[in-house]
Amino acid sequence: NAGVTQTPKFQVLKTGQSMTLQCAQDMNHEYMSWYRQDPGMGLRLIHYSVGAGITDQGEVPNGYNVSRSTTEDFPLRLLSAAPSQTSVYFCASRQGRAWYQETQYFGPGTRLLVL
Amino acid sequence: GESVGLHLPTLSVQEGDNSIINCAYSNSASDYFIWYKQESGKGPQFIIDIRSNMDKRQGQRVTVLLNKTVKHLSLQIAATQPGDSAVYFCAENAGNMLTFGGGTRLMVKP
Repeated sequence: NAGVTQTPKFQVLKTGQSMTLQCAQDMNHEYMSWYRQDPGMGLRLIHYSVGAGITDQGEVPNGYNVSRSTTEDFPLRLLSAAPSQTSVYFCASRQGRAWYQETQYFGPGTRLLVL
Repeated sequence: GESVGLHLPTLSVQEGDNSIINCAYSNSASDYFIWYKQESGKGPQFIIDIRSNMDKRQGQRVTVLLNKTVKHLSLQIAATQPGDSAVYFCAENAGNMLTFGGGTRLMVKP
């Protein structure tokens, strides 16, 4: 049971390039989400999914796309990278939507630098 | 909760002392609260949670207190150890969205 895994660990992009950050979980969790963390700050929600085929926007969704074709995977796509997207990206999952399934578990993060 | 910018509040304690980390939350509709610990270069790690129908919950060496009247949450760590050094975040959950506070850096002096 690997928990939540993310790839790559580190990425450098040029402005305007696109890329996909991968996230997978092997806990059969329904709910997955993406956060970004800027230096010295808390995490902000980008997008989330409450199940396969269902996604929704979080606090800071602009410039990012997501899809959820399987329960296990929740990739985050940067359409045209900008320096403002330099950040550490965390994927998280939780078992479900019920109150007793609310604890979120985080992956190790992807550090993204946009030049 | 809004971020506190580039400079996190820092709490410095002596090893063996008790630590209290405070958090103000913003949404009166939040019904679930979590404390996370984040070590350098790692993702947030769950510590303890509490639901809005409780005002206190205890774990191993940690206690969370919730005051809904003033929208305040605190994390108490007993007998603080060097391994407790990290940034601590509170998070509030309302519906499907988890909102994080700005974080507090805990430094433990040996």
